[in-house]
Amino acid sequence: AQKVTQAQTEISVVEKEDVTLDCVYETRDTTYYLFWYKQPPSGELVFLIRRNSFDEQNEISGRYSWNFQKSTSSFNFTITASQVVDSAVYFCALSRGSSNTGKLIFGQGTTLQVKP
Amino acid sequence: SQTIHQWPATLVQPVGSPLSLECTVEGTSNPNLYWYRQAAGRGLQLLFYSVGIGQISSEVPQNLSASRPQDRQFILSSKKLLLSDSGFYLCACLRGDFTDTQYFGPGTRLTVL
Repeated sequence: AQKVTQAQTEISVVEKEDVTLDCVYETRDTTYYLFWYKQPPSGELVFLIRRNSFDEQNEISGRYSWNFQKSTSSFNFTITASQVVDSAVYFCALSRGSSNTGKLIFGQGTTLQVKP
Repeated sequence: SQTIHQWPATLVQPVGSPLSLECTVEGTSNPNLYWYRQAAGRGLQLLFYSVGIGQISSEVPQNLSASRPQDRQFILSSKKLLLSDSGFYLCACLRGDFTDTQYFGPGTRLTVL
């Protein structure tokens, strides 16, 4: 069965600190996708990144970076020099690449609070 | 790129009343569509998904139903609301590039009193 675990329920940091959000997944599929979404206070989920199971290269986008490690089934998300605008709930998700349904399995989310 | 509209944005309904939430999508054709519910402070629960007109798959047994009368319209309904139906309802659309990336609408916040 597929499962996504975000063990950190809430994280609080002070602005300019670096913070890492953890995501551990379980799947028996060899082809799958991993995602991160951001949910700001407005509620709408914003897509941040997608990784397929065959691409373990880490990715950096501005202050955001992602570390995908198949050996540990983890897809962690780091925000460097955090800002108040980063305060949100962050969701990690997993999909079956071989399915035509496109269904996502979401973790329970990590609430990040960045204090000024 | 796709744009997803949901309405209403906010709704307060009494227990036992009917419900109709609408989701429409622009900028794509024959998309996979999804309804999620998020209870206060909780994660996302997939309620229904549809791969085409008239095709609805239910993920959990509940008081709700879904319909897809048109290619880019997805409706969530209930005949009689329960208190437990309160939550934030999100509609999502699958980007048509075989990468399983879903884009989400702005959501409807439903309070059942």
